[in-house]
Amino acid sequence: EAQVTQNPRYLITVTGKKLTVTCSQNMNHEYMSWYRQDPGLGLRQIYYSMNVEVTDKGDVPEGYKVSRKEKRNFPLILESPSPNQTSLYFCASSSLAGRGTDTQYFGPGTRLTVL
Amino acid sequence: KQEVTQIPAALSVPEGENLVLNCSFTDSAIYNLQWFRQDPGKGLTSLLLIQSSQREQTSGRLNASLDKSSGRSTLYIAASQPGDSATYLCAVGETSGSRLTFGEGTQLTVNP
Repeated sequence: EAQVTQNPRYLITVTGKKLTVTCSQNMNHEYMSWYRQDPGLGLRQIYYSMNVEVTDKGDVPEGYKVSRKEKRNFPLILESPSPNQTSLYFCASSSLAGRGTDTQYFGPGTRLTVL
Repeated sequence: KQEVTQIPAALSVPEGENLVLNCSFTDSAIYNLQWFRQDPGKGLTSLLLIQSSQREQTSGRLNASLDKSSGRSTLYIAASQPGDSATYLCAVGETSGSRLTFGEGTQLTVNP
C-alpha cells in the first residue's frame, strides 16, 4: 500500500531535549516536505526537499533541521525544542511533474507537546 | 508573498444540497492548485489537482475550477452526504513548483 508513515504519532517532551520525528514514504517520490498546523494559522511549510541531499527552507524553518540522505526518508530534527513548537506536524511527499510537484500524499501527523 | 483565503470558515448544510467552497489567492502566477480533505485528527487526503493550464477537474461528485486571472478556485460538491463532513483545504503551488501555500480551510458539516 502506498503510504507516508510518521513516528512517533504522539510525543510529550520537555524544553531543550533533542528529538527526531521520522518520515518515510514507499512511493519512490522525489519531493518531501514538512508542515506544522496550528489553530488560526493553518498549515505552514517548514522545510522541503526536491531530491536526495537537496533541502530548502519553507516559511517557518527556525528551530528545525532536516536531512535527506535517502530518497525514502526525511526526518525532522528539533535540536532544542521550545513550547512554541508545540503543534501538529505533517510530512508529505509527491512525485515531480515537469519542474514542480504533483499530487501531495500526507502522513497521519505527529502531535508534539513541549512542556 | 502568496496568501490564500478560504471563505466561509465554516458551513453547515442539509444532506442532499449542492454546495460551493471558495478559495482565493493573491498571486496569480501559480504552478498548480490542490484541494484536500482533512478529517478530525487525521492527515490530509488529496481530492483534486488542477494544473495552471487547466480550468477544471472532476472526480465523482466533486468538481474544482480554477480562474487564475481572478485568483480564484471553487470546489463544487454535488448531492452532499453526511460522510462529506470534514475540513476542506486548498493549497497553491508557486511557480517554482517547490512550495505550497495553504488556506485555513472550510469546515463543512452535512446534517442528515
